[in-house]
Amino acid sequence: GAVVSQHPSWVICKSGTSVKIECRSLDFQATTMFWYRQFPKQSLMLMATSNEGSKATYEQGVEKDKFLINHASLTLSTLTVTSAHPEDSSFYICSARDGKRAQETQYFGPGTRLLVL
Amino acid sequence: GQQLNQSPQSMFIQEGEDVSMNCTSSSIFNTWLWYKQDPGEGPVLLIALYKAGELTSNGRLTAQFGITRKDSFLNISASIPSDVGIYFCAGRGYGGSQGNLIFGKGTKLSVKP
Repeated sequence: GAVVSQHPSWVICKSGTSVKIECRSLDFQATTMFWYRQFPKQSLMLMATSNEGSKATYEQGVEKDKFLINHASLTLSTLTVTSAHPEDSSFYICSARDGKRAQETQYFGPGTRLLVL
Repeated sequence: GQQLNQSPQSMFIQEGEDVSMNCTSSSIFNTWLWYKQDPGEGPVLLIALYKAGELTSNGRLTAQFGITRKDSFLNISASIPSDVGIYFCAGRGYGGSQGNLIFGKGTKLSVKP
């Protein structure tokens, strides 16, 4: 099946620093990638949708200047949490859509746990 | 906006029992996906449904796309301890941004050996 990787799997950082999370589709080309945030015992909350070569589309309430998304290639998207604060601590998960498949299917990465001290 | 209700919120069952969970939406969907998430990991796709009335199996798992296009169910037969986890349904409706799935709040499954 389709494989999506994320790096790092977990990160601890000091308040005010920036953190970059990578999402890669390993065996397919992802024309669209999605970034989600998940709080403990809650469902996934879509943050933004990113299409290769274009600007990301952010969901209402998500600050685009705080959560920078870059989708430079068909296999890589990055999320940078700028000037992180403790309230940004969460589980961040990316997913990728196989661009060659006509039907909608999203494959998720294993997630990145961010802890901001 | 579109809403998706998933039930039950949690289930405590004995190993060997069958499990059933479902999702209903406030509007018509053209895709239903079922995922399982283990603690600290990303969701894993279990079954994808694209056609009203479609019934699809994956091992002991069976899911159906409701005829009304507003619901879907997932059944797990003869549950085993490794079935423990949180199951999410996700659907995509017509219109709106392409690829935006809506997720249910999840069904937490606990299996007692």
